Amino acid sequence: EMQLVESGGGLVQPGGSLRLSCAASGFTFSTYSMNWVRQAPGKGLEWVSYISGSSRTIYYADSVKGRFTISRDNAKNSLYLQMNSLRAEDTAVYCCARETNDGGHFDYWGQGTLVTVSS
Amino acid sequence: SYVLTQPPSVSVAPGKTARITCGGNNIGGKSVHWYQQKPGQAPVLVIYYDGDRPSGIPERFSGSNSGNTATLTISRVEAGDEADYFCQVWDSSSAAYVFGAGTKVTVL
Repeated sequence: EMQLVESGGGLVQPGGSLRLSCAASGFTFSTYSMNWVRQAPGKGLEWVSYISGSSRTIYYADSVKGRFTISRDNAKNSLYLQMNSLRAEDTAVYCCARETNDGGHFDYWGQGTLVTVSS
Repeated sequence: SYVLTQPPSVSVAPGKTARITCGGNNIGGKSVHWYQQKPGQAPVLVIYYDGDRPSGIPERFSGSNSGNTATLTISRVEAGDEADYFCQVWDSSSAAYVFGAGTKVTVL
């Protein structure tokens, strides 16, 4: 059974850092591009970052560029998001999402991990 | 950056048809994907590449895309269709995925 399980969320002060993880199972992780998508409380979906299977191609939303870093470890079937210089507006549930092999959309999502940025 | 515009809410009686629009500049030239999200749950892909359905998604869900508007149509609406629906595209000019703000479908 395919699973994506996020962890690492929590309460952090503005300006602080946090590292999120996404553990994948049930599919050949290295052959899929992965994404992070976030959802602020009561708000819509916001795409955060993309990484190709080989890590060769990476994209970021303008709102996190220069502050967040996406990475993956295919040997550990894991996806990561290093978040620095956190702001109140980064408060959200962060989900990892698998991109289909033909690209452009997301066929499996994790349940997410909540990040709260507050003093 | 590319903007997708959705109506905040759509109300529909059971058994009727719900149409959810997603507006964008020449969106007909892009591939549009739709997700259903119920409270407390992860989004579920219901339509991809404008009008294709993943396995397990009822035929009542269909999609179209032309000009400046893409549309998700839910026929013979059921109570279980009550959810938020988001459209999504890839914007190659900004190398970014873009989501619409979402439409809350209420079944009367």
